[in-house]
Amino acid sequence: GAVVSQHPSWVICKSGTSVKIECRSLDFQATTMFWYRQFPKQSLMLMATSNEGSKATYEQGVEKDKFLINHASLTLSTLTVTSAHPEDSSFYICSARDSVYTDEQFFGPGTRLTVL
Amino acid sequence: AQSVAQPEDQVNVAEGNPLTVKCTYSVSGNPYLFWYVQYPNRGLQFLLKYITGDNLVKGSYGFEAEFNKSQTSFHLKKPSALVSDSALYFCAVRRSGGYQKVTFGTGTKLQVIP
Repeated sequence: GAVVSQHPSWVICKSGTSVKIECRSLDFQATTMFWYRQFPKQSLMLMATSNEGSKATYEQGVEKDKFLINHASLTLSTLTVTSAHPEDSSFYICSARDSVYTDEQFFGPGTRLTVL
Repeated sequence: AQSVAQPEDQVNVAEGNPLTVKCTYSVSGNPYLFWYVQYPNRGLQFLLKYITGDNLVKGSYGFEAEFNKSQTSFHLKKPSALVSDSALYFCAVRRSGGYQKVTFGTGTKLQVIP
């Protein structure tokens, strides 16, 4: 089956630093990847849609200069949280859409970010 | 705009009893409907989906869901609950036709009591 990995699985950083999270599709090519944020006991909120080779499309209210997304290859997308603050602490989940199938997303295991 | 409602924050069921997790949706056009399960500090795992065809969809781990167009519902069911089914369940919807954005419900915590 389709597998999506995320690295790191958890990270703790100091306020003001930047953190990069990687999302990889391991056994399929993903022309589109999605980045979600999940607060405790809440649903997934779509942050942005990342298309390989082009700029990401951000959802309303998401700061594109704070959450930098790069989708440089068909198997890798990165999310960089710049100048992180405690309110950025959250669970970040990526998903990838198989370029062959159009109706299913495959989710990564998530990255727990804690900003001190 | 499309939306998903999961009216129950938590569902408790005794092990061996049937379980139902409710979901209703709103979307223009024909819906694609999904159920995912999430274990603590993990990503989402796909359970099942309805695209077209039979209204009763069977998925992973013995789960099934019934698409009811008139009631705009897609309730998740299992005939006999296991303690290991305890997790957070998300219903999701998107429009048919090409690739459309997926909207998730707020999730329902299922607690299976031994």
